[in-house]
Amino acid sequence: GQNIDQPTEMTATEGAIVQINCTYQTSGFNGLFWYQQHAGEAPTFLSYNVLDGLEEKGRFSSFLSRSKGYSYLLLKELQMKDSASYLCALMDSNYQLIWGAGTKLIIKP
Amino acid sequence: IAGITQAPTSQILAAGRRMTLRCTQDMRHNAMYWYRQDLGLGLRLIHYSNTAGTTGKGEVPDGYSVSRANTDDFPLTLASAVPSQTSVYFCASREGGDTGELFFGEGSRLTVL
Repeated sequence: GQNIDQPTEMTATEGAIVQINCTYQTSGFNGLFWYQQHAGEAPTFLSYNVLDGLEEKGRFSSFLSRSKGYSYLLLKELQMKDSASYLCALMDSNYQLIWGAGTKLIIKP
Repeated sequence: IAGITQAPTSQILAAGRRMTLRCTQDMRHNAMYWYRQDLGLGLRLIHYSNTAGTTGKGEVPDGYSVSRANTDDFPLTLASAVPSQTSVYFCASREGGDTGELFFGEGSRLTVL
């Protein structure tokens, strides 16, 4: 079967760094996505990893270890607008996305 | 502006009524999807279509049907709504069935009483 786990909620301070972890179990793997979703809005694409390693995109970076079934999203220089839910999703062997429940990130001044 | 349009954005519906959620995209994407999102759960796939003329069942298809008569439109129909179908519904598309990021519509909030 397939399973994705990520923390339900995290709190961080404006200007700081936060790492949101995602662990998964799957029999087939075609990549891992991170999406951002502000309350009441649609998810928007942040990153895609299919090979091991770190992908950096401005203040956001995403890391993947396929052997460990592990990914994280790293957010630097946190801003209040980064308060949102962050969704981890893996693409399975049928190219369908399996979604985690999301991590609600609360940024405090 | 290119993207995905969903309608209605919000609807309250009596149980037993028929309801169609509309979804239109103008990006000429081949693959389209319908998800429902409930508090504490991840997005769950209801139905999908990898190309016009074909559809497939997702994780939670019961009580829902879809059609894909052309590339742009992918309506979702609830034949006889039940309260457990109260949810936020997102339509999404991507270039191919196995490539690219998903683009989402703004969502349709449905309440079944």
